[in-house]
Amino acid sequence: NAGVTQTPKFQVLKTGQSMTLQCAQDMNHEYMSWYRQDPGMGLRLIHYSVGAGITDQGEVPNGYNVSRSTTEDFPLRLLSAAPSQTSVYFCASSYRRIGPETQYFGPGTRLLVL
Amino acid sequence: AQRVTQPEKLLSVFKGAPVELKCNYSYSGSPELFWYVQYSRQRLQLLLRHISRESIKGFTADLNKGETSFHLKKPFAQEEDSAMYYCALIRTGANNLFFGTGTRLTVIP
Repeated sequence: NAGVTQTPKFQVLKTGQSMTLQCAQDMNHEYMSWYRQDPGMGLRLIHYSVGAGITDQGEVPNGYNVSRSTTEDFPLRLLSAAPSQTSVYFCASSYRRIGPETQYFGPGTRLLVL
Repeated sequence: AQRVTQPEKLLSVFKGAPVELKCNYSYSGSPELFWYVQYSRQRLQLLLRHISRESIKGFTADLNKGETSFHLKKPFAQEEDSAMYYCALIRTGANNLFFGTGTRLTVIP
């Protein structure tokens, strides 16, 4: 198993550009989520999904969209990038939709918005 | 609302010394507590979960409901323990992790 994979590893955007961060897992996990990691703030939940076709907002959803058309994939879209979205983004997944479940994290995507 | 507090951003100890990383939480229900660790250039991974009551890599953590704490302890620190440590909480019936701000542990040879 590849586990949780994320692409790209690093991205530079200009303010106003849009992009999609990819996340995939091959463990048949129901639950998937996106976090952003900022210095001094830990990891904060952006969006999550408890199964294909079901998504919901986390703590900091503004400026981001998600969809879950398949069990395996959970892309995160930045509609109009802003410097405040400069961060490291982590995708995570777990087997069941209801906790407490161990979550498995991807390697992260480092995003710089100029 | 839930909150996880890790009061120490940085913690340095000498190799062989005991180490304690503090974690306090606030939540009106019965939370599930976790410790996640991120070694240099590696992804975040689970270290401990309180319901397992296990010891991983010599680390233990006891949930103290009276003090609302879940401190991580190890009697003898090793250089390979140097990493970023996050305490996290899951609310009853949910699966969303709420993280503290993290503590960077450095073990000095």
